[in-house]
Amino acid sequence: GDSVTQMEGPVTLSEEAFLTINCTYTATGYPSLFWYVQYPGEGLQLLLKATKADDKGSNKGFEATYRKETTSFHLEKGSVQVSDSAVYFCALPSGGSYIPTFGRGTSLIVHP
Amino acid sequence: DVKVTQSSRYLVKRTGEKVFLECVQDMDHENMFWYRQDPGLGLRLIYFSYDVKMKEKGDIPEGYSVSREKKERFSLILESASTNQTSMYLCAGGRDYGYTFGSGTRLTVV
Repeated sequence: GDSVTQMEGPVTLSEEAFLTINCTYTATGYPSLFWYVQYPGEGLQLLLKATKADDKGSNKGFEATYRKETTSFHLEKGSVQVSDSAVYFCALPSGGSYIPTFGRGTSLIVHP
Repeated sequence: DVKVTQSSRYLVKRTGEKVFLECVQDMDHENMFWYRQDPGLGLRLIYFSYDVKMKEKGDIPEGYSVSREKKERFSLILESASTNQTSMYLCAGGRDYGYTFGSGTRLTVV
């Protein structure tokens, strides 16, 4: 079945550092790919998505490129801020099963 | 903006109580989901529904039931609350183009 593997956290960075959160997936075909963000005490929000191979999704300074060859969708940001502290989830849509697949989440902590 | 609204942000209930968590969406989604989220365990699917009156068990349905009498409303029911159901509960709606989550309900069972 479909699966998503994310790097384990927490990831701890200083403000203005470069961020990478790795995500790899296993899926049938070439589904859309998502990154969600969850701020403390909140639900998940869609951060960005890519709908086909080689697409780059971007939002709020975050980027991720859909790499079919390596089945990856790594999240990057050039300069993180304290306000980026949150949990980040990589996800696949459901395909034919109704149920989306979420990674376990990666906690990011940014220090001033 | 599309919205998924969960009726309560925080709830405190007593062991043995019947608890209702309500979720309403305004996106005309057929698919709706209930998850619970616990530290270190990620999101775990309790139940989902792909249409009115249709429901399917997720990974951890024991101790829970659901109701979907109207397309916009998906309710999670704890038949007899227990302390091990203390958790964050998240409702979501959506399809393959994306999923929208509510703000969550932090339930404490004492």
